[in-house]
Amino acid sequence: GEEVAQTPKHLVRGEGQKAKLYCAPIKGHSYVFWYQQVLKNEFKFLISFQNENVFDETGMPKERFSAKCLPNSPCSLEIQATKLEDSAVYFCASSPRASYNEQFFGPGTRLTVL
Amino acid sequence: AQKITQTQPGMFVQEKEAVTLDCTYDTSDPSYGLFWYKQPSSGEMIFLIYQGSYDQQNATEGRYSLNFQKARKSANLVISASQLGDSAMYFCAMTNQAGTALIFGKGTTLSVSS
Repeated sequence: GEEVAQTPKHLVRGEGQKAKLYCAPIKGHSYVFWYQQVLKNEFKFLISFQNENVFDETGMPKERFSAKCLPNSPCSLEIQATKLEDSAVYFCASSPRASYNEQFFGPGTRLTVL
Repeated sequence: AQKITQTQPGMFVQEKEAVTLDCTYDTSDPSYGLFWYKQPSSGEMIFLIYQGSYDQQNATEGRYSLNFQKARKSANLVISASQLGDSAMYFCAMTNQAGTALIFGKGTTLSVSS
């Protein structure tokens, strides 16, 4: 598609429950990036992919967060055993090239952990 | 470590006036990219403008221009002839050292009044 698609738009989970977010990058874009935006300003990089391969995972809290980009499927970000501090908007972005190129952002998934 | 600093939490401007949003960055890498994104209250991230570290000319896109001063490590966004629809949060970002992600500043809220 011509836009990055993210589902669901909103997700509410009780503490300790699992949350799974999905992202379909723009067709033809090889790079996918996940960011977490807390309190409407702080953006934190989580992980990036080049096709189905992890490109950079230095931002991932590895104990509870995992992500995949499999061929012919939307990319996913999964949080096991959610905590209150995971409440945030999770943005997915895609790009045709790795760096020095704009990243096209999806509309985000708002995760609320109660 | 690379860092983006946006020192103005909020800016106020009248319609049709020009406004400059400040951004300074810190990197030891000679090769990097600088970006500005707009985030309206609806939450989506809209790419505005890009400047490469080796670009000789300041980038311009319609009413947006980037005042790139490499020696001062600043990349200020200039919006000419402000419109009510420009009211939003504005984020400055740069590529990380590996070129695998964007590092964001904390944003500046711009309010345009009639």
